[in-house]
Amino acid sequence: AQSVTQLDSQVPVFEEAPVELRCNYSSSVSVYLFWYVQYPNQGLQLLLKYLSGSTLVKGINGFEAEFNKSQTSFHLRKPSVHISDTAEYFCAVISSGNTPLVFGKGTRLSVIA
Amino acid sequence: DGGITQSPKYLFRKEGQNVTLSCEQNLNHDAMYWYRQDPGQGLRLIYYSQIVNDFQKGDIAEGYSVSREKKESFPLTVTSAQKNPTAFYLCATRTAANYGYTFGSGTRLTVV
Repeated sequence: AQSVTQLDSQVPVFEEAPVELRCNYSSSVSVYLFWYVQYPNQGLQLLLKYLSGSTLVKGINGFEAEFNKSQTSFHLRKPSVHISDTAEYFCAVISSGNTPLVFGKGTRLSVIA
Repeated sequence: DGGITQSPKYLFRKEGQNVTLSCEQNLNHDAMYWYRQDPGQGLRLIYYSQIVNDFQKGDIAEGYSVSREKKESFPLTVTSAQKNPTAFYLCATRTAANYGYTFGSGTRLTVV
């Protein structure tokens, strides 16, 4: 069964500093990878996704992620964070076909002024 | 506007009572999902349905039941058999194209 590991449960970072949220997935022949953001007491909003093609994926709010097949990783990055980026971030994976989305346990990003 | 409506947003129930959470969509998506979220646990799949009148158990289906009588609706019943029902419940739909999932705004269930 597919699984996702988010290596950091909490990441504090100062405003305007860069940030990387790490995500590793269990190997599979082909996977589709996603990052979602969740603000308190809300649903999930898609930040970006990798389906195929370029391994560097750009998303909303200035975030980007790089798919690395050899390291089975899909780390999320932002060069300069804002207070409004404070939220929980989830990495998720789906294998080809109709299997449901599998989530990591989340990383809480706290941006400090 | 197209989207997913989960109701109610907050729900309180006494221990031992069954409760049904509503999920309605007007996106015309075939597949619908229920996830449970607990602090530090991420989202765990309860049930999902890919077509009307068919559904499959997820990883934590015990103590829950669902129905899918209409494409637009996928209600989740939390039964008295669920040992620890207090959680945040999220409904999602999926379009067949590019695996995109859309999430509702969630229902926070508190059992007292």
